[in-house]
This record gives sequence, C-alpha cells and structure tokens, in this order.
Amino acid sequence: AQTVTQSQPEMSVQEAETVTLSCTYDTSESDYYLFWYKQPPSRQMILVIRQEAYKQQNATENRFSVNFQKAAKSFSLKISDSQLGDAAMYFCAYRSAIRADKLIFGTGTRLQVFP
Amino acid sequence: ETGVTQTPRHLVMGMTNKKSLKCEQHLGHNAMYWYKQSAKKPLELMFVYNFKEQTENNSVPSRFSPECPNSSHLFLHLHTLQPEDSALYLCASSQESLVLNSPLHFGNGTRLTVT
Repeated sequence: AQTVTQSQPEMSVQEAETVTLSCTYDTSESDYYLFWYKQPPSRQMILVIRQEAYKQQNATENRFSVNFQKAAKSFSLKISDSQLGDAAMYFCAYRSAIRADKLIFGTGTRLQVFP
Repeated sequence: ETGVTQTPRHLVMGMTNKKSLKCEQHLGHNAMYWYKQSAKKPLELMFVYNFKEQTENNSVPSRFSPECPNSSHLFLHLHTLQPEDSALYLCASSQESLVLNSPLHFGNGTRLTVT
C-alpha cells in the first residue's frame, strides 16, 4: 500500500526567507500525481501545487516550487519570500493512476512565519 | 462564496442523537468525497461518489451513512456515534473521481464533537 511521510511536524521561517518542507512516499507504481495542499486556520484545504510523475521538470507556482526526485521518492515544497499568510498546515498527497479516486495524505507540517 | 460549502460549521451531539452533515458544490463537478481529519493522523477517505454512484466505502462503520441525491449535494447522516468519532469532517469535489490530474476542492469542514 502507498504511504506518504512528512517527517517535520513543525517548521518555522522568518518573513521574506525561504523554507523547504519535506515529503517522501512509498509506491511501486510509475504513473501518479503528487500534490501539496495548504490548510490555514479557516480549515479549507487549498491546492498549492501539483506534479505529474512523468514530468521531469519541477512544478512552479509563483513563490512555491517543488523538488521532485522520483528515484528517491521525494517531493519537497520550497516556499520563497515567505509571507505571514503562508502560515498554515501543509499536507503532501499522493494519487495513483490505478486508484485515482483515493488521495493519500501525509500527517502534515505546521508552518509558522515570524515577522 | 466558496466552491464547496459545508454546513454546519460546528456540531455537538450526544451519542444517541441523529444528525446530518451537508455539503454543496458549485463547481460543476461530478465526484464528491467525505474525509475524516483527526489530530496528528493523515486524512482518512471515507466515501467517494462519482456521477451520484458510490464507488468507495473505506470500511466505514454503519453509523455513518452517506447520501448523494445529485452531483452537487452530498450528505453524511450520523447516528449513535462514539466519542472517538469526534473530528473534522471535510467534503471535497473534483471533476471526476478517476481523472488523475483533476484536483480536489475542499470545503471548510464540520467540526464534530460527540459527547
């Protein structure tokens, strides 16, 4: 069974600095998608970025980028120029082509941003 | 107005009560999901509906009963719950449940407390 591991329960960063959140996953499949979701205090999970396993180029969305290492099964999220509004829980998630209706989440990393 | 709306936002119920959670999506999606979010645990998929048909029941106890009358509405009927069922219940929708790159859009959740 696939698993997603986020080894950092909490992280902190100074405003305007850069922070990287780690995520590893375990799978024997070759076709899948990876996602990062953000959950602010409003509780709504918001999609931050997604990466297709077949694409070697790392996805980028404004200040958010990923470092996707398929062989190492690693999918880290880099937040550049951190802002106070980035403070939230961040969840890494895996979705396979075989069971596309089942999004598997990690336990999350709480990110604090200090002014 | 958010794309996925959940009501109520908070719910406190006794173990003998019967209550229902409601979810409505305004995104024209065809798949809807119920997730359970407990502290320090990964989100747990409970139910999936694709074009109003239930396609996943992730070994959920029968005290949770889903209903999907149409592609825009999803209910979770609750009866004789246990204190360990206290959690945040998140509803989500996507274009279709088996489209790999179709992201999930989440509501703000219902915080359920069982006393």
